[in-house]
Amino acid sequence: LAKTTQPISMDSYEGQEVNITCSHNNIATNDYITWYQQFPSQGPRFIIQGYKTKVTNEVASLFIPADRKSSTLSLPRVSLSDTAVYYCLVGVFTGGGNKLTFGTGTQLKVEL
Amino acid sequence: DVKVTQSSRYLVKRTGEKVFLECVQDMDHENMFWYRQDPGLGLRLIYFSYDVKMKEKGDIPEGYSVSREKKERFSLILESASTNQTSMYLCASSLRQGRSNEKLFFGSGTQLSVL
Repeated sequence: LAKTTQPISMDSYEGQEVNITCSHNNIATNDYITWYQQFPSQGPRFIIQGYKTKVTNEVASLFIPADRKSSTLSLPRVSLSDTAVYYCLVGVFTGGGNKLTFGTGTQLKVEL
Repeated sequence: DVKVTQSSRYLVKRTGEKVFLECVQDMDHENMFWYRQDPGLGLRLIYFSYDVKMKEKGDIPEGYSVSREKKERFSLILESASTNQTSMYLCASSLRQGRSNEKLFFGSGTQLSVL
């Protein structure tokens, strides 16, 4: 079971880079790592996904070491609007579908 | 854009009632999911479905059942609502792409209160 572990909370200031690390020691060979962002009273939304090494999009970067037992979401130059809960997700293939279980997430608070 | 629509934003029910939460997606996605979210507990998977009439239990299926008669619709059923089922319920869908590289699209959620 590819359970994920993240810090419960992180604090940062505007303009700083924020790195949130997720541990997934039991990740299966073919599984991807996906990160979501959730604001209060909304459903989570997809941020970034990767399998290995580094992935970058207009919002974030995702770093995955060779052993794939962890991943790091990097948010460059955060602003107040990045205050949200961030979830790391690794699915478990059941033979029929992918069981997509979220962890408790990381509450990021950005201040001036 | 993918649209996942949950039938009610707020719902108030009484203990013992049978409750139906409906979710519809408009992007022909094979996979659909029901989660509940409670403060401090994150999102917990109740049930998911990877095809019409196919369903699998998530981590907390007790007290719930689901129905997927059509590809676009996934219903969550509380057979006999209890106060500990008061929660925010979130539906999601995804396109089947292989081993867990699918992307979830969420609805706005239904805040259910059981009195």
